[in-house]
Amino acid sequence: QKEVEQNSGPLSVPEGAIASLNCTYSDRGSQSFFWYRQYSGKSPELIMSIYSNGDKEDGRFTAQLNKASQYVSLLIRDSQPSDSATYLCAVNDLSGGGADGLTFGKGTHLIIQP
Amino acid sequence: GAVVSQHPSRVICKSGTSVKIECRSLDFQATTMFWYRQFPKQSLMLMATSNEGSKATYEQGVEKDKFLINHASLTLSTLTVTSAHPEDSSFYICSARGWETQYFGPGTRLLVL
Repeated sequence: QKEVEQNSGPLSVPEGAIASLNCTYSDRGSQSFFWYRQYSGKSPELIMSIYSNGDKEDGRFTAQLNKASQYVSLLIRDSQPSDSATYLCAVNDLSGGGADGLTFGKGTHLIIQP
Repeated sequence: GAVVSQHPSRVICKSGTSVKIECRSLDFQATTMFWYRQFPKQSLMLMATSNEGSKATYEQGVEKDKFLINHASLTLSTLTVTSAHPEDSSFYICSARGWETQYFGPGTRLLVL
């Protein structure tokens, strides 16, 4: 049984600061990793994808992957109130993403304080 | 690009009735679509994988006779909740496989009275 673990929070961060979200996964065969943002009552939207060890930056977002530690993180720089949402970590075990259903963590509720 | 729609967005039905939810990929063809369910304050749980032209693959614990999935074309998958009961009330979300990841529909909120 694949498992994806996240701290449910809430994680409260002042506006303008860096928000750091963490995720661990149990299946060493996992090859594709995603961060989704979900606003209350809405479906998830893709924020970042990462497939290899190291950092991947996209605007204010940086995803970090460490396969040896089975750890994925998401950093949000210059946090804005509109970043307040639940962030879902998701993994699957086939390279290239999307070929198999994703396994989601329970999500971390992020609150950006103005 | 990569837009996925769902219909209806919200449905209320009586216990014992059946409800059909449609999932469409609007600007790309999706040979594989996925159906998820999310209860309040819980994460998304994969229910089944829908493959065009073949039978769906259900996750452990999901009743295939209760949740009927049809993927008749490359742009449409349907989920029918048969003989719905109050415990089936949930947020049902479909996704379609794209080249990099899955693209989610807006979800259907089902309330069974």
